[in-house]
Amino acid sequence: GAVVSQHPSWVICKSGTSVKIECRSLDFQATTMFWYRQFPKQSLMLMATSNEGSKATYEQGVEKDKFLINHASLTLSTLTVTSAHPEDSSFYICSASSGDEQYFGPGTRLTVT
Amino acid sequence: DAKTTQPPSMDCAEGRAANLPCNHSTISGNEYVYWYRQIHSQGPQYIIHGLKNNETNEMASLIITEDRKSSTLILPHATLRDTAVYYCIVRVAHAGNMLTFGGGTRLMVKP
Repeated sequence: GAVVSQHPSWVICKSGTSVKIECRSLDFQATTMFWYRQFPKQSLMLMATSNEGSKATYEQGVEKDKFLINHASLTLSTLTVTSAHPEDSSFYICSASSGDEQYFGPGTRLTVT
Repeated sequence: DAKTTQPPSMDCAEGRAANLPCNHSTISGNEYVYWYRQIHSQGPQYIIHGLKNNETNEMASLIITEDRKSSTLILPHATLRDTAVYYCIVRVAHAGNMLTFGGGTRLMVKP
């Protein structure tokens, strides 16, 4: 089946620094990738839709200058959290489209101290 | 995408069938019913999807009512590893369409 990986699986950073999270489709090419965020005991919330070679589309309320998304190839999308603050601590999950289906990565837990 | 309604939690005895209901009364004709589950601190896992016919795979069965306003996910022999949050999502099947997650049903399988 289609496999999506994320790196790192967890990261701790200091307030004010930037963190980059990678999302890779390992055995298929994905023209569209999605980034979700999940706070404790809550459901997944879509942050942005990323299409290869074009600018990401952000959901309402998500700051595009804070959450930089790059989808430079058909197998890699990156999410950079710039100037991270403790309120950005969350579980970040990506998914990649293969045909009409979506496959999810294992998630990245970000803790900002 | 149409909204769905699921019970917030359910219990099931290990080895018994788990029947998880979902209401989607405003579903459109071209929207599929998808089921995903999320085990604690992991990414969601695809289970099954269907349009109007009942579907079965190695993980589960999906029963969709004739009017398509509700469906039931059946795990035929639940195990402790099936403890997870189960999400029912209706969506037009297209690569560019995101999944909109509701609250889901937290299934607890008990020994």
